[in-house]
Amino acid sequence: SQQGEEDPQALSIQEGENATMNCSYKTSINNLQWYRQNSGRGLVHLILIRSNEREKHSGRLRVTLDTSKKSSSLLITASRAADTASYFCATDAGAAGNKLTFGGGTRVLVKP
Amino acid sequence: ETGVTQTPRHLVMGMTNKKSLKCEQHLGHNAMYWYKQSAKKPLELMFVYSLEERVENNSVPSRFSPECPNSSHLFLHLHTLQPEDSALYLCASSQDRTGYGELFFGEGSRLTVL
Repeated sequence: SQQGEEDPQALSIQEGENATMNCSYKTSINNLQWYRQNSGRGLVHLILIRSNEREKHSGRLRVTLDTSKKSSSLLITASRAADTASYFCATDAGAAGNKLTFGGGTRVLVKP
Repeated sequence: ETGVTQTPRHLVMGMTNKKSLKCEQHLGHNAMYWYKQSAKKPLELMFVYSLEERVENNSVPSRFSPECPNSSHLFLHLHTLQPEDSALYLCASSQDRTGYGELFFGEGSRLTVL
């Protein structure tokens, strides 16, 4: 089934460093979204990037989309301990109906 | 209250019990969703309701029974569950009825089946 796959599965960095994670998907999409989940909590929407966009920024977050490679990346600059969370990409299923499917996520640990 | 509220936050039940999870959204959205999040597995879409009509049912066992009485409320009725059903159940809503827009999630209901 249509699904994003994040890479790496886990990432450990020092506070102040940048964190980059990638998402690959299999079929054409209308948009791709990134979400954050703190341990045991609900998911929080970060950014939505449409298939005709290549890059989008929101505060310390930068998302790129390469539809030719069917991949996206999320960059968190100047990371903080509060950025410790799991990050998920989510893709729609094109014309397949009401469906947003999520990848397995990247667990990010930012050490103070 | 604002956003998406789920109750209870934690639930422990035996395999013969019947319980329900409740979700309420205060955002005026048109679509509501149930997702299941198990350890080491991607988030699984269970059900989608758009304008109170079920539009997606992802081969979920009949021991899970959704109910959407109005556009603000969504229930997940549980009966004769199995231990492998233990998971975090997340409710979400969206303004976009296509299912492609931004989802707003509740904090989840952590279910443990003994």
